[in-house]
Amino acid sequence: QSVLTQPPSVSGAPGQRVTISCTGSGSNIGAGYDVHWYQQLPGTAPKLLIYGNSNRPSGVPDRFSGSKSGTSASLAITGLQAEDEADYYCQSYDSSLRAVFGTGTTVTVL
Amino acid sequence: EVQLVESGGGLVQPGGSLRLSCSASGFTFRGNALHWVRQAPGKGLEYVSAISSNGGSTSYADSVKGRFTISRDNSKNTLYLQMSSLRVEDTAVYYCVKEDRDGYNSFDYWGQGTLVTVSS
Repeated sequence: QSVLTQPPSVSGAPGQRVTISCTGSGSNIGAGYDVHWYQQLPGTAPKLLIYGNSNRPSGVPDRFSGSKSGTSASLAITGLQAEDEADYYCQSYDSSLRAVFGTGTTVTVL
Repeated sequence: EVQLVESGGGLVQPGGSLRLSCSASGFTFRGNALHWVRQAPGKGLEYVSAISSNGGSTSYADSVKGRFTISRDNSKNTLYLQMSSLRVEDTAVYYCVKEDRDGYNSFDYWGQGTLVTVSS
């Protein structure tokens, strides 16, 4: 039921940079709705990581950054660390103002 | 400190009913829209339902429309989800989620979740 498409998995060595794409359509991201990103560590609830396309909540390291262009968005993690192993989800809204989530991406630190 | 604590999950037979509650603290409850988001075992996040700050506006995912009802009691700082005609595919962890008030409409705080299992 997810309407935003993400790669199932990405991986990188410690210290490397990885990016996660989030592809939507003209009825959600492309309609101008903001994109938010969440990090879900194993066995825990999701946590807000990026809001309003590119803003970090207090306490989120600046290794995490977000961007949006057209019908897509992306999350970048620079200086990858072992504790970044988690599932990541993007989220936006559709024209009915209902939240829509991405399919989720598992980040593995090699 | 913002806290969202869900309760009411458990095992229920197909066709049965269950009411989830979410007790909130640490913020001005009546000032925020609230949501329910679920996650089936080993699967991704799925929007379930939302309610405005005063309860006057609600929305539902197509998968639960007509079966689930969201409500809130601002005098008790509590959010509810009444679930009926439950199906096996409703099995999931249900999260209570607070929407931010900064105009970005992100989900800035999540509860720990409550597990609903629909099985005979």
